[in-house]
Amino acid sequence: DAGVTQSPTHLIKTRGQQVTLRCSPISGHKSVSWYQQVLGQGPQFIFQYYEKEERGRGNFPDRFSARQFPNYSSELNVNALLLGDSALYLCASSLPGQEETQYFGPGTRLLVL
Amino acid sequence: GEDVEQSLFLSVREGDSSVINCTYTDSSSTYLYWYKQEPGAGLQLLTYIFSNMDMKQDQRLTVLLNKKDKHLSLRIADTQTGDSAIYFCAEDPSGNTPLVFGKGTRLSVIA
Repeated sequence: DAGVTQSPTHLIKTRGQQVTLRCSPISGHKSVSWYQQVLGQGPQFIFQYYEKEERGRGNFPDRFSARQFPNYSSELNVNALLLGDSALYLCASSLPGQEETQYFGPGTRLLVL
Repeated sequence: GEDVEQSLFLSVREGDSSVINCTYTDSSSTYLYWYKQEPGAGLQLLTYIFSNMDMKQDQRLTVLLNKKDKHLSLRIADTQTGDSAIYFCAEDPSGNTPLVFGKGTRLSVIA
């Protein structure tokens, strides 16, 4: 079975640009969460979606937004990119009723110049 | 706020046991997790323990939980070079699903 997939794998942007990252959860998983992992740190929670509804939001500015589609895939959008947004963006999915057990994708590595 | 604390580095010889320690923050955390991250890769869920358990064993992995001290450890028996990676401890504070991670422990296995 395919795991969580994310695209693109790598991305280079310049300050002020906008970026959209994509995530497809494991088949049957309905919850998707997004995390940001800055170099040398552990992942930090950004958003969680379940059944297309936002269930939780971490301490990130409004430049960060996300949505979930009817097929449970998700997009993370970041506007007005800053140098500090350079990070590995991880998507995780979980089964209904087992949202505490999250399975992560390989991540999208974003570099902002 | 408080952070999930882990030592940053651990070096062991191949064949020895590795013990990675973690101190978490929320005594209401329902599950405690260990994730493994290899270079350039995402996070792999290694194992997790329910908060009402003291110990969980899964092949070469043993997780010990001390709720009183909010201390979690991961023991890897017969450590192999393929175990070289960064290991993250994580908790789900108050049973919420957003996980809170430590900064990770980089395990180096010397052949």
